[in-house]
Amino acid sequence: GQQVMQIPQYQHVQEGEDFTTYCNSSTTLSNIQWYKQRPGGHPVFLIQLVKSGEVKKQKRLTFQFGEAKKNSSLHITATQTTDVGTYFCAAYNNNDMRFGAGTRLTVKP
Amino acid sequence: NAGVTQTPKFQVLKTGQSMTLQCAQDMNHEYMSWYRQDPGMGLRLIHYSVGAGITDQGEVPNGYNVSRSTTEDFPLRLLSAAPSQTSVYFCASSSLQGVAQTQYFGPGTRLLVL
Repeated sequence: GQQVMQIPQYQHVQEGEDFTTYCNSSTTLSNIQWYKQRPGGHPVFLIQLVKSGEVKKQKRLTFQFGEAKKNSSLHITATQTTDVGTYFCAAYNNNDMRFGAGTRLTVKP
Repeated sequence: NAGVTQTPKFQVLKTGQSMTLQCAQDMNHEYMSWYRQDPGMGLRLIHYSVGAGITDQGEVPNGYNVSRSTTEDFPLRLLSAAPSQTSVYFCASSSLQGVAQTQYFGPGTRLLVL
């Protein structure tokens, strides 16, 4: 089945710095989803990207889907302590959903 | 709506014991799934279902059984627990209608197998 690779595994930033996590697939994806999981919590859906080259924004979060639909990124501008958590990308392949290993973000006030 | 509920929240088993993790959703979602989450490995799909009476295997199905007799419920059965099944288990559901198939996750069950 498809594999979804996500980097980096960890990222520690000072509050106010930017943060980016990257997701790569060995195969072309029909869509990609992003989730956030707070420490001790469950994953919460953030967004889904479907179109080649798509860019979507949610306040300080910018999501991109690559032109070849094999990679995606999540960028957070000016991080805040509320951004702490693990960010996962995930992709469907015929109802079989595969998650990246996640990027754990910590923010120093 | 309660969303996705899971019971129990915590469970300790001895090797060889069997148990059922319960999952229910009240959103009339067709798609339901079970994941396990281990440190550094993200979430791995165990089994999923696209509707009552239909189930299929995910990435790591060995040692687990599922059934889907109703739209609302999707229990996960551990047949003979092993220490390697120590993990956090999440159930999720989503609608198969529309473009954005948002998955709603339950709060999780933390399982320790001794």
